[in-house]
Amino acid sequence: QQQVKQSPQSLIVQKGGISIINCAYENTAFDYFPWYQQFPGKGPALLIAIRPDVSEKKEGRFTISFNKSAKQFSLHIMDSQPGDSATYFCAAPAGGTSYGKLTFGQGTILTVHP
Amino acid sequence: NAGVTQTPKFRVLKTGQSMTLLCAQDMNHEYMYWYRQDPGMGLRLIHYSVGEGTTAKGEVPDGYNVSRLKKQNFLLGLESAAPSQTSVYFCASSYRWGETNEKLFFGSGTQLSVL
Repeated sequence: QQQVKQSPQSLIVQKGGISIINCAYENTAFDYFPWYQQFPGKGPALLIAIRPDVSEKKEGRFTISFNKSAKQFSLHIMDSQPGDSATYFCAAPAGGTSYGKLTFGQGTILTVHP
Repeated sequence: NAGVTQTPKFRVLKTGQSMTLLCAQDMNHEYMYWYRQDPGMGLRLIHYSVGEGTTAKGEVPDGYNVSRLKKQNFLLGLESAAPSQTSVYFCASSYRWGETNEKLFFGSGTQLSVL
């Protein structure tokens, strides 16, 4: 069973700062690593995803950095804004034939102060 | 399009009672999933379906049953609710995995309390 370990559990950042959330996984066989964003009272929504054939993917202020040898990937939020305050989950395929089954990390509660 | 709709949004049960959570999607997605979310544990997959009439177990299936009689609907049943099933339940759907859009579309959740 794929396991994904996420850190930190919570993060407080000032407006304009950089938020960094890390994830570590165990199985190198899988090829898809997404990050989901969840606002209070809502379901998670896909934020950004990466495949291990690249080391970095950037979409606006959000960047995934991928380190295949260390089996780690991280989310960087540049110029963090109060509207980014949410819970962030990393994920990876749950094992076997994926069928979209994802194993999620424990989640990081991000608070961005004005 | 409404996307993924879950009913009810809130429910309180007594231990031993039964209930069914309903999930409906209007995106013609082939795959559907039920996850539960607990503090500090992320989301855990309960059951999933890869097409009408099919179901399969996920990571934490015990105490739950599911049915997918119609492509657009995925039902989650609790036959005899236990306090350990107090959680927020999320339904999700997706296109066939491996196609262009590998993305789960989540509903807004059902908050269930079992007393």
